[in-house]
Amino acid sequence: QVTLRESGPALVKPTQTLTLTCSFSGFSFTTSGINVAWIRQPPGKAPEWLARIDWEGDKFYTTSLETRLSISVDTTANHVVLTMTNMDPTDTATYFCARTEFSRGPFDNWGQGMLVTVAS
Amino acid sequence: ENVLTQSPGTLSLSPGEGATLSCRASMTVGDNYLAWYQQKPGQAPRLLIYGAYIRATGIPDRFRGGGSGSVFTLTISRLEPEDFGVYYCQQYDRSPRTFGQGTKVE
Repeated sequence: QVTLRESGPALVKPTQTLTLTCSFSGFSFTTSGINVAWIRQPPGKAPEWLARIDWEGDKFYTTSLETRLSISVDTTANHVVLTMTNMDPTDTATYFCARTEFSRGPFDNWGQGMLVTVAS
Repeated sequence: ENVLTQSPGTLSLSPGEGATLSCRASMTVGDNYLAWYQQKPGQAPRLLIYGAYIRATGIPDRFRGGGSGSVFTLTISRLEPEDFGVYYCQQYDRSPRTFGQGTKVE
């Protein structure tokens, strides 16, 4: 059974750096084609794809946030980590991690998501 | 980026009725790499359809995806009470991956 679970701070202050961890199980990250992505969803709005990392360790970011994002994987611990610098109140959202079985594949398994609020 | 526009914004229907949701892409979605998700309050999106028309595992056959190129549809025949929620289309052909703004079925 594939599972993903997000963890990290629920509240960050403006200008701080957010670090989120996606802990996964039920699949091997090094299997050809596997990707884990981060997606966020502001309250009442549509999801927004942020970044993904593939089984070869290649990293991809959404252009508008590329300078603020960093994604990495620890295959021994089965974690994918997302960092986002210089947080702003407009970054308040539920952050999800999700898996695809192929680089060009749908998000077939999602974490439950965690709400991150940016406020002083 | 490939902008996805969904219509209508809201569908007000009763159980047993049918629903047709539309998703229009600003650029052709190659290989019909278009997915549909259902989301309920407080939950993550759930994959319903991928490849424009292929039902994901465990999705009942009252959900049907269609279309190609840049115009896609999701049809739900005979709405069940558990089908009410927000539906999103998403393309996974090009980077960045993009989602439509959603259709609420209420």
